[in-house]
Amino acid sequence: DIQMTQSPSSLSASVGDRVTITCRASQAIRNDLGWYQQKPGKAPKRLIYPASILQSGAPSRFSGGGSGTEFTLTISSLQPEDVATYYCLHHKSYPRMYTFGQGTKVEIK
Amino acid sequence: QVQLQESGPGLVKPSGTLSLTCAVSGGSISSSSWWSWVRQPPGKGLEWIGEIYHSGSTNYNPSLKSRVTISVDKSKKQFSLRLSSVTAADTAVYYCARGYAEIDDWGQGTLVTVSS
Repeated sequence: DIQMTQSPSSLSASVGDRVTITCRASQAIRNDLGWYQQKPGKAPKRLIYPASILQSGAPSRFSGGGSGTEFTLTISSLQPEDVATYYCLHHKSYPRMYTFGQGTKVEIK
Repeated sequence: QVQLQESGPGLVKPSGTLSLTCAVSGGSISSSSWWSWVRQPPGKGLEWIGEIYHSGSTNYNPSLKSRVTISVDKSKKQFSLRLSSVTAADTAVYYCARGYAEIDDWGQGTLVTVSS
């Protein structure tokens, strides 16, 4: 099975900082990767899929990159409302299966 | 946008069976979508449990496959999760969700606690 490893597990940054989260796949997954934001007590919300395509309505300060085995989620200028846990999610087409990364908790310093 | 709403008991006894239902509104359960269950133990990450297509075809997480059954009732526009032989480790918020490639829509989630 494909494993998705996210890093770091948590980070603290100042408002306006550039923040990057990495997700590594145990084998090549093309660009079959999405990024989700989850705020406390809420369901996850998709930000990006596949890999670098910003979801309609998601702020433009979020961007995704990578392909194959290494992917990044970047927040260009961290805002207070970005405090959340971020997850990568890989969808395997055959046989169908979803695998989440462990999550990255983002806080304001 | 499809709306999803989970329902079911919030407390299940150890060794019992957890049963949840997800009501689908604002769209057709017979669309080209897969209907999933995802769970999140308190303070921990997300885990995909499994999914069903309106035809009844299913896919399960291998780590839970022996205990999971997902079914669909098209006439009631709902799909259901059954998880057997539960332990405290199955305590989690359970989400129903919809997608084809990635997961597009989520329910609000429901907390199920396994305790005697």
